[in-house]
Amino acid sequence: RKEVEQDPGPFNVPEGATVAFNCTYSNSASQSFFWYRQDCRKEPKLLMSVYSSGNEDGRFTAQLNRASQYISLLIRDSKLSDSATYLCVVDAYTSGTYKYIFGTGTRLKVLA
Amino acid sequence: GAVVSQHPSWVICKSGTSVKIECRSLDFQATTMFWYRQFPKQSLMLMATSNEGSKATYEQGVEKDKFLINHASLTLSTLTVTSAHPEDSSFYICSARDRGEANYGYTFGSGTRLTVV
Repeated sequence: RKEVEQDPGPFNVPEGATVAFNCTYSNSASQSFFWYRQDCRKEPKLLMSVYSSGNEDGRFTAQLNRASQYISLLIRDSKLSDSATYLCVVDAYTSGTYKYIFGTGTRLKVLA
Repeated sequence: GAVVSQHPSWVICKSGTSVKIECRSLDFQATTMFWYRQFPKQSLMLMATSNEGSKATYEQGVEKDKFLINHASLTLSTLTVTSAHPEDSSFYICSARDRGEANYGYTFGSGTRLTVV
């Protein structure tokens, strides 16, 4: 089982739609969770951290479920500019150090 | 916010030569930096963890003699791909986190696209 798993997509949605991505992780000792956005041939950029209580940033809402070991990202009112790959990232403490473990990413295409 | 500078942005080299990639934290100190590799349409794969003043920690399957990492200061880590071959062609990205910002994510360099011909 992969340490961090995501549905690769692509998710093709019309402008204005609401779309949700899930991500599961295997290491129950994981402490920090993030969603990153990566545009084609660019470096990943932090979209938002994911807190236990859930958090919202404008049209984006992130949730964490520790019991089931998954995190989610909800995008409301999708814009064309939201088209990108969304990476689920888990910061896990293993072998004496923290490591960022990336999911494979979920591709989103927002269609006009 | 934290800025990580990585260069070169792209490089084309001949098979058998070595290529050095630099990763600098511009406005913060980073005791640890990470090096990733990303093949087309695949996820970022952690290659190694670069530790300032000590040896790097390599992930399983990554040849430490081929991918030399040096982290001589709190703001600079370098990755040298030695005796590069076409299969080493990939997108290499470094990342770091400000020691004082433990609750925030890592910042990534802009990546280096390596093509070995």
